[in-house]
Amino acid sequence: GQQLNQSPQSMFIQEGEDVSMNCTSSSIFNTWLWYKQDPGEGPVLLIALYKAGELTSNGRLTAQFGITRKDSFLNISASIPSDVGIYFCAGQALSGGSYIPTFGRGTSLIVHP
Amino acid sequence: DAGITQSPRHKVTETGTPVTLRCHQTENHRYMYWYRQDPGHGLRLIHYSYGVKDTDKGEVSDGYSVSRSKTEDFLLTLESATSSQTSVYFCATAPQQGATQPQHFGDGTRLSIL
Repeated sequence: GQQLNQSPQSMFIQEGEDVSMNCTSSSIFNTWLWYKQDPGEGPVLLIALYKAGELTSNGRLTAQFGITRKDSFLNISASIPSDVGIYFCAGQALSGGSYIPTFGRGTSLIVHP
Repeated sequence: DAGITQSPRHKVTETGTPVTLRCHQTENHRYMYWYRQDPGHGLRLIHYSYGVKDTDKGEVSDGYSVSRSKTEDFLLTLESATSSQTSVYFCATAPQQGATQPQHFGDGTRLSIL
């Protein structure tokens, strides 16, 4: 199956710092998605990207769909303690008549007050 | 969220026993999915459904079966549980399947096979 490389695997930062994480693939995707997962809960969609080059913001979060359609990044500005969690990227492409997302392995974010 | 309820939320059972996990949704979404989440592996697709009685295999389907007799319910069955199936299982739904239809997730079932 398709593989997504998500980095970094974990981040330890101070409150107020900016954060950047990214996903790369050897395959082209039609959609890039970014989810956040809090402990004991399911992933929640943060941002969806549908066009190559698209830059989308959601509050302090900004994500971009790479021009090559093989990568995406997520930035978090001025981090706060509630940003703690695991962030997943997911790419969607048509395969065998279905759009099934492929997930990265996640970036664990810890924010120190 | 898409009104997704997973049950049970936690289960401990023994190797060799059958286990059924239930996903119930109230949004009338056509597509439903079962994933497992393990440390270092992220989310991996087990099976998915594209309508009542219509299902297909995902990346890690061996040892699992599914059924969907009603739009709102999607069942995941481990016929004979093994310790390697200890994991957190997530159900997800989507109204349609397409590049512009992200999935919405339930809160998971933590399953331990002893």
